[in-house]
Amino acid sequence: SQQGEEDPQALSIQEGENATMNCSYKTSINNLQWYRQNSGRGLVHLILIRSNEREKHSGRLRVTLDTSKKSSSLLITASRAADTASYFCATALQGAQKLVFGQGTRLTINP
Amino acid sequence: ETGVTQSPTHLIKTRGQQVTLRCSSQSGHNTVSWYQQALGQGPQFIFQYYREEENGRGNFPPRFSGLQFPNYSSELNVNALELDDSALYLCASSPDEGGRRYTFGSGTRLTVV
Repeated sequence: SQQGEEDPQALSIQEGENATMNCSYKTSINNLQWYRQNSGRGLVHLILIRSNEREKHSGRLRVTLDTSKKSSSLLITASRAADTASYFCATALQGAQKLVFGQGTRLTINP
Repeated sequence: ETGVTQSPTHLIKTRGQQVTLRCSSQSGHNTVSWYQQALGQGPQFIFQYYREEENGRGNFPPRFSGLQFPNYSSELNVNALELDDSALYLCASSPDEGGRRYTFGSGTRLTVV
């Protein structure tokens, strides 16, 4: 079974609006990462947040991490059509040599 | 652009056959991981190599095997292909053993018929 669960599974918004995706996980982590995937191709690393961090920004991206609730959120502000993609959270577990991915959120930005 | 190149991009094989997928990582990236992504799902960890030694394995049967070479290239071999092996196979590399941040290739789409 997968470590992370993402919510919602699909999200459709108008260009210019903000998009928020959530991720929950089950076990202790070293860090949590967000990736973007276009049309079932390779994953592009967006942002990494360590377990001792609570919030991180990168351009139009804002990620929060709540280790007490074992959850994270990704906010994309001022969305663009090019942001249309699937977004995955991935957790790097303590003592494990792997990333564990959620099932992803399919984001559609309507022009 | 990504620094990780996978070949081939698409492949069709028959059930029972064997397949080898290839990955060329960025120079200096001593860690390489392979993931399987079924349609509509998130990637699932297959295994990881560090300096040519396997140092982590997911819940995949032994017919999934790998190799990592000194020139930062690697292979994923799958024997006795099954229909459920149809998926996108992703290679990811990292400069360090812990793999804080991975660079992913564009993947190989394998279809088993």
